[in-house]
Parts: sequence; C-alpha cells; structure tokens
Amino acid sequence: EIVMTQSPATLSVSPGERATLSCRASQSVSSDLAWYQQKPGQAPRLVIYGASTRATGIPARFSGSGSGTEFTLTISSLQSEDFTVYYCQQYNNRWVFGPGTKVDIK
Amino acid sequence: EVQLVQSGTEVKKPGESLKISCKISGYKFTSHWIGWVRQMPGKGLEWMGIIYPHDSDTRYSPSFQGQVTISVDTSISIAYLQWSSLKASDTAMYYCARDGADDAFDVWGQGTMVTVSP
Repeated sequence: EIVMTQSPATLSVSPGERATLSCRASQSVSSDLAWYQQKPGQAPRLVIYGASTRATGIPARFSGSGSGTEFTLTISSLQSEDFTVYYCQQYNNRWVFGPGTKVDIK
Repeated sequence: EVQLVQSGTEVKKPGESLKISCKISGYKFTSHWIGWVRQMPGKGLEWMGIIYPHDSDTRYSPSFQGQVTISVDTSISIAYLQWSSLKASDTAMYYCARDGADDAFDVWGQGTMVTVSP
C-alpha cells in the first residue's frame, strides 16, 4: 500500500504571508493527487485535484504542483479562514490520505 | 445541487450491529463511485472503501477489509456502511463522499458520529 507523508506537521504563518505544504508518496502516483481542507466540526472540502487543478469555488490563492512522489500546496497570501488542517490524498492506487498539516497563526 | 445527506448520530454497545446511510441527490446515482472515510476523535482521515453503484463493484482498504460492509440500494439512491459487531475502537465520525473529480472526492456528506460504549 502506498504511504503518504506530509510536512511539516504544523506550519506557523502570519496572515498575508505565503504557506507551502509538502506531501510525499512512497511510490509514484503520477498526478493522481488531491488536497483537502478541513475546518473544525466540518467535513473535508476538496481544494486541488489532479495535483494542480483547483476545485470549484476555490480561490486563486490556492495552487498545487508536483508529480510522481513530491507535491506541494501553496497558499499565496493567507486569509483568516485558511488557518486549519490540510490533507493530501493519492488516488492512483486505491485511495490513501496523508496525516495532515495544521496551518496556524504565527 | 449535488447533496450527500447522512443518517444521524448513533450510540451503540460493543457487539451490536449498525448500518448507517448516505442519501444521494442532484445527479445520477449510478454514475459515480461513493467512498467512505473514517475520522477517529482528534485524528486524521482514513479511506475505508468505495463502491460503484452501477454494478456494486466494491473495493476495501486492507485495514477495513472484513471489518465493514459497503452496499447500495439503487432504487432509493442510498449507500450504506455497516458493521456486524461493533467495537469501542469503531468510535469515530464517518463520512461518505462522491468520487467526482478525477477520482478525488468532490462532494462530502456531513458525517455520522458513531459512539460505541458499554
């Protein structure tokens, strides 16, 4: 089974600054990689799929990149509503989530 | 509007059985896979399994194979997740989600909280 890792576990960033979250797969998943945002008490929300395609309604400050085993989610200018947890997920070989990165206020 | 509406909170005892549901509306039920995801208290997301309503083709995560059963009733556009004998470790929030964006989960249910306690 493919194992997904995310780094860092917690990222402290000031509002308005850029956040860069990393996700690594234990073997190539091509571009079959999604990012989800989950706020407390809510269901996850799809942010990026296909490694770099923004989901419907997602602001342009969110961008994804990478392929194979290394992926990045970038939030160009953090807004107050962006401080929460983000999960990556591969769907190349079944479906596996990463452990998550919490983005908190510095 | 695409909606996945899940059944309500459950409180059960160890050893009891349970079937929770996910009612789909707003699109053709048989055209997209439906997945189930577990989130234990304070923890991350775990993919449990997925079903294709058109032919009931079902795939399970190795971690959940034999522990749960995923099914559908196409006549009423509902997907199910069931346990035959609950354990305390099954206490979690369970989400259903539609595989609708390149096999990513683009629409999610609101979650069903399951608590298993003596």
